[in-house]
Amino acid sequence: ETVLTQSPGTLSLSPGERATLSCRATQAITTYLAWYQQKPGQAPRLLIYGAASRATGIPDRFSGSGSGTDFTLTINRLEPEDFAVYYCQQYGSSPWTFGQGTKVEIK
Amino acid sequence: EVQVVESGGGLVQPGRSLRLSCTASGFIFGDHGMNWFRQAPGKGLEWVGFIRTKAYGGTAEYGASVKGRFTISRDDSKSIAYLQMNSLKTEDTAVYYCTRGTWYGDYWGQGTLVTVSA
Repeated sequence: ETVLTQSPGTLSLSPGERATLSCRATQAITTYLAWYQQKPGQAPRLLIYGAASRATGIPDRFSGSGSGTDFTLTINRLEPEDFAVYYCQQYGSSPWTFGQGTKVEIK
Repeated sequence: EVQVVESGGGLVQPGRSLRLSCTASGFIFGDHGMNWFRQAPGKGLEWVGFIRTKAYGGTAEYGASVKGRFTISRDDSKSIAYLQMNSLKTEDTAVYYCTRGTWYGDYWGQGTLVTVSA
C-alpha cells in the first residue's frame, strides 16, 4: 500500500499570503495524484488531478506540481474562502490512499 | 449539471446489513466508473472501493478494511450505483460519499451518515 504523508499538519497564514503544501508518497506514483479541499460540514472538492491539472471551475491561484514521490499544492494569494483542510490522494496503485490532511488556518 | 446524491444511511446494529444508493444525473452514467469513499467522525478520508464501467467489465475493487464484506454494483438503466454493506462493524461508522470517477472523484455527493451501534 502506498502511504502518503502530508506536511505540515497545520499552516497558519494571513489572507494574501502564499500557501505551500507537501505530499510525499512511499513509492513512485508518476503523476497519479489528486488534491481536494474540504470545509467543515461539506464534502471534499476536487482541486487538482494528474498532479498538475486544475479541475473544472478551480481558480488559477491553485496549482499543483511534482511527480514520482514528491508533490506540492501551492495556493497563491490566499482568499478567505481558502482556509480549509486539504487532502492529497494517490491513484497510481490500488488501494487508493489519502494523506492525513493539512489544515490551512487564519493566522 | 452533474449531480450525485447518496441515500440509505442510518443507524444499524453491529453485524447487520445496509445498502446505500448513489443516484446520478447530468452525465452519461454508463460511461463513468464510480467511487465510494468514507470519512469517520473527525477523521480523514478513506477509499472504500470503485466499480468500472461495463465496457471495462463492470468489475469492482475494494479497500482492505471492507473487502469481503462490502459489494459495489451498478444499474446503468437507472443511473444508480449501490454499496451493499454486510457484517457491519462499529468502525464502519462514517459519512459515505459517492463520486464520479474510477481513479479520483471529480463530483461528490453530500454524503450519507452510517452509524453502527448497538
